[in-house]
Parts: sequence; C-alpha cells; structure tokens
Amino acid sequence: GAGVSQSPSNKVTEKGKDVELRCDPISGHTALYWYRQRLGQGLEFLIYFQGNSAPDKSGLPSDRFSAERTGESVSTLTIQRTQQEDSAVYLCASSLGVWGRDSDTQYFGPGTRLTVL
Amino acid sequence: AQSVAQPEDQVNVAEGNPLTVKCTYSVSGNPYLFWYVQYPNRGLQFLLKYITGDNLVKGSYGFEAEFNKSQTSFHLKKPSALVSDSALYFCAVRDMPSSASKIIFGSGTRLSIRP
Repeated sequence: GAGVSQSPSNKVTEKGKDVELRCDPISGHTALYWYRQRLGQGLEFLIYFQGNSAPDKSGLPSDRFSAERTGESVSTLTIQRTQQEDSAVYLCASSLGVWGRDSDTQYFGPGTRLTVL
Repeated sequence: AQSVAQPEDQVNVAEGNPLTVKCTYSVSGNPYLFWYVQYPNRGLQFLLKYITGDNLVKGSYGFEAEFNKSQTSFHLKKPSALVSDSALYFCAVRDMPSSASKIIFGSGTRLSIRP
C-alpha cells in the first residue's frame, strides 16, 4: 500500500527492557513525526525530521528516548530501559514537507501499542 | 512559540443539531491550521486545513471550519450532526512554514452525538 506503515502493531515488554519501533513513511515524504498518545489523551509530540536538517528533539521526554531516520526513509524510535509510564500508542506521521498547499497534510500510520508490564 | 488550545474536553450534541468544536491558536507569523479526527479503534484522519484564501474551509464528511484572524480561532462546525460523527477531534497549527517549524496538536475534544 501507499500509506504510512508501522511495526510492530503491538508490543508487550517487561520493565527495564529496550524496545524499537519502526515507521515506514510514504515514499517522497521528507517530513516525519513521532507522537505518543496515552489512553484517552491527546497527541504528545516527540520528534520531527525534516529532510537533511537536524531533527527537532524537543518533545522527547527523557534521554531514554531516541530516534533515527535513514535519509528520507525509514525511522526507528528506541526506548531504553522501558518504564510502565511509557505504555501508550506511538504514532508516526509523514508529510511532503516542502513549500506548497499540500505540503503539511500529515498522513498517520496505525500506531504501535506499547505495553510495559 | 506556537501553541494551540482546545478548551473543551467533551462536546455533547443531539443528532440533527449543529455542532461546534472550538480551537484557538497562537503563532508568530501566518498559521497553517488543520483538523484531524480519530474514530474509535482507527487511525487519525485528515479532515480539512486552512492555508490561505477563503476563511471558510470545507472538508470531509460535511465538516467546515472558519478561520478568524482577529480572534485567532479555527472552530470546527457542522450544520447537522450524525451519531457517526462521534469521535475524538484534534486541531493542529504550524507557524509560518519553514524547515524549522513543526505541527503542534491540541489536546483533543471528544465529540459525542446522542440519537
């Protein structure tokens, strides 16, 4: 398909373990975002990649969280030494990211539901 | 810094009545404004956006939103609500587009339409 995909769809892990979440954006989209959504709550911005610019990491909640992006392709969000409060749905979105009327429409993936026991 | 506020956690409307979901924003330049909807157990979907031009923007599923620069608002509206409109709605804003500005989402408003 042509949409944003995320894997795994569900992840259950034990407290203290590391997890890696993957996002495949829509081909050609230069902008990629990671958000966290706790149960019944809003979207919490985590990190933003735009082309080759340095990522905006201002939303990462602690140094246990990190993310990388390979060029304008796949991104991985890594959470080290997971804690129970990390349990949430992690959403990835991509957009064209260049100047223009359609550049900022974000297309969201289905999310990864992370449960930390 | 840019910000967006959705002052209502929940909005309850009877089916067939008009609905409004409020959103206000703060940016230093000209805003790009968006509404997204999240249906139960489904992903976030784009509804509509304002970039420039007409202040009244029409989007999917019969929704529209009015950009009001003087009140820095971008309220979502629909003339006649359906039960199927029940969902979580998010307003989002991006400051004068540049490679440095990101899209910020509001906290969300849960819309509940009763039959």
